[in-house]
Amino acid sequence: GNSVTQMEGPVTLSEEAFLTINCTYTATGYPSLFWYVQYPGEGLQLLLKATKADDKGSNKGFEATYRKETTSFHLEKGSVQVSDSAVYFCALRVGAAGNKLTFGGGTRVLVKP
Amino acid sequence: GAVVSQHPSWVICKSGTSVKIECRSLDFQATTMFWYRQFPKQSLMLMATSNEGSKATYEQGVEKDKFLINHASLTLSTLTVTSAHPEDSSFYICSAYPIGQGTKDTEAFFGQGTRLTVV
Repeated sequence: GNSVTQMEGPVTLSEEAFLTINCTYTATGYPSLFWYVQYPGEGLQLLLKATKADDKGSNKGFEATYRKETTSFHLEKGSVQVSDSAVYFCALRVGAAGNKLTFGGGTRVLVKP
Repeated sequence: GAVVSQHPSWVICKSGTSVKIECRSLDFQATTMFWYRQFPKQSLMLMATSNEGSKATYEQGVEKDKFLINHASLTLSTLTVTSAHPEDSSFYICSAYPIGQGTKDTEAFFGQGTRLTVV
């Protein structure tokens, strides 16, 4: 079956620090990979995505590269802000839209001023 | 981007009563919507796939008689928690894909979630 494993949190950082959240996956097919962010009390928002090997998704200073050889999709940001405090979910989907997403356990990030 | 709206955002109900949660796609149509449940500080667990005009597909372990799903139109799916108990207290989130955007690149749009507390 399909599964996503991401590092457990919480991750506590100071403002302007470098952030990395590891994500690895197993999939029966050739998945698309996503990072979603959830702010307190809200639903999920798409942060970035990649649909094929070596693709790099980027948005709001965050980046993640689809690594097929290591089945990974690690999220990075060079300089975090307090407003980046949230829960981050790595997810995969096999096939086209309309198929379900499989989520990792989520990583809570807390950025302190 | 496309907007998915859930109503209510939060609800408190008494044990034994039923609660209906609505999920609407405001500016697109969706033949398929998904319902997730999220426990505190945990990930999203898919409960069921809601299909417009047909029966929902439930994930293993989800009681279909307890969590009734109706997808009556291309813009509305409802989840009814019947005979609610405190253990049903959770954060429920829906998501949907716009019709006609069935590629690997298409993103799912999520509602803002509904926090259910059963007392």
